This record gives sequence, C-alpha cells and structure tokens, in this order.
Amino acid sequence: ETGVTQSPTHLIKTRGQQVTLRCSSQSGHNTVSWYQQALGQGPQFIFQYYREEENGRGNFPPRFSGLQFPNYSSELNVNALELDDSALYLCASSLGWAGSGRGYEQYFGPGTRLTVT
Amino acid sequence: DAKTTQPTSMDCAEGRAANLPCNHSTISGNEYVYWYRQIHSQGPQYIIHGLKNNETNEMASLIITEDRKSSTLILPHATLRDTAVYYCIVRGNAGNMLTFGGGTRLMVKP
Repeated sequence: ETGVTQSPTHLIKTRGQQVTLRCSSQSGHNTVSWYQQALGQGPQFIFQYYREEENGRGNFPPRFSGLQFPNYSSELNVNALELDDSALYLCASSLGWAGSGRGYEQYFGPGTRLTVT
Repeated sequence: DAKTTQPTSMDCAEGRAANLPCNHSTISGNEYVYWYRQIHSQGPQYIIHGLKNNETNEMASLIITEDRKSSTLILPHATLRDTAVYYCIVRGNAGNMLTFGGGTRLMVKP
C-alpha cells in the first residue's frame, strides 16, 4: 500500500508568481484535502475534493484553487503569490468524507515547503 | 465543530505512560474525537478516534468520559520517538475539514 506523496519537497518563488503543488493520494482513497501550515501553527483547511468535485472550502481567497483527477491525485494552484503564502502545504487523503455518516481518518503526506520572497 | 482545549506542553519520562488530556465541553452527540500527532517537519499522523466508547489500537488508547466532555490519549510506554505535537480534534458529520488548534507539545525525556 502506497502512502500519500507530495511534490516538490521544497520550492522557492517570487511574490506575484504562480505555483502548482501536487499530491498522490493513498491507494484506494477517493478524497483529498489540502491544508496550509504556517510556522509554529496548526494546519489550516484550504479545501477538499471528492470524486473530482470541490467538496468544502476554508477561509482562503479564490487565488487558491485546485483540481482532482480521475485517478484521485490532486493539484493545488496558488496565483499572485504573497509573502504570507510562505508555509508548509499538506495534502491528506481519505476514503469517503464526513457526510458519509461515519468517522474516518485522513492520512497526510510529508508536505511541500513553499517560500515566497 | 466543537472547540478543544489542550495543555500547551507536557513532559514524560521514557518508558512511562504519557497521558494527554483534552477538554471538549461543547461536543455534540454526533461528533467524533480524533487524535493526530505531528513530528517535527513531517505531516500529521493519524493516531486514533472514537465516538463514545474507549478505543485502543497499536499506537495508543483513547479514554472518553461518560459525558463526552473530555478525553485522554494514553501512550502506554512512551519512547523518544513519541516526542511531537499532539492535536485533539472534534469533528462531526457535517464538516469536511479537520480544525487543528495549538495542540500539546509532548517532550519525552530519557
């Protein structure tokens, strides 16, 4: 069983640029969630994708967008990068989502550390 | 989702049991209690979750009080590798996200 993988591991971008981060979900998982973790803080929910559709969004502006592909892998795109976007971006996969009526666990990848200068 | 309260930090001697408390006094009937931990520079790791009954797996035990207003995560024999930030999260069926608070920084000492 393959765990959640993310690429790249580290990335340095300049303010105003665009970035794409990638996530491969754990085998058999159909739901992917993205989180942003600033230094010294807990992860903050960005959005979730279930079967290629956005299935919930946190308090992030529209310049944060995503995709989920038929194989359930996912991308996070951030346009017009700002200095405050510097953070660890985490992807988590799960089988099902909260509305499925039972508790479920999310499995996290190692994250992509984005630095905006 | 119900808010949780955890101590900021705790120490534990290696080989002893680590008992991490969590208060969630506003929890509602359909909300689960989840525990995750995050070792430095890694993604959060799922530990355990429960609704009403106590739960045990290969990593830990989760004790939920009868009124469900608090819970305790127990690591029975803490090792140095258990040093991490431990997050207690309460989430119901309506929410899709995990809401992380500040967590408890557990330091296991030799």
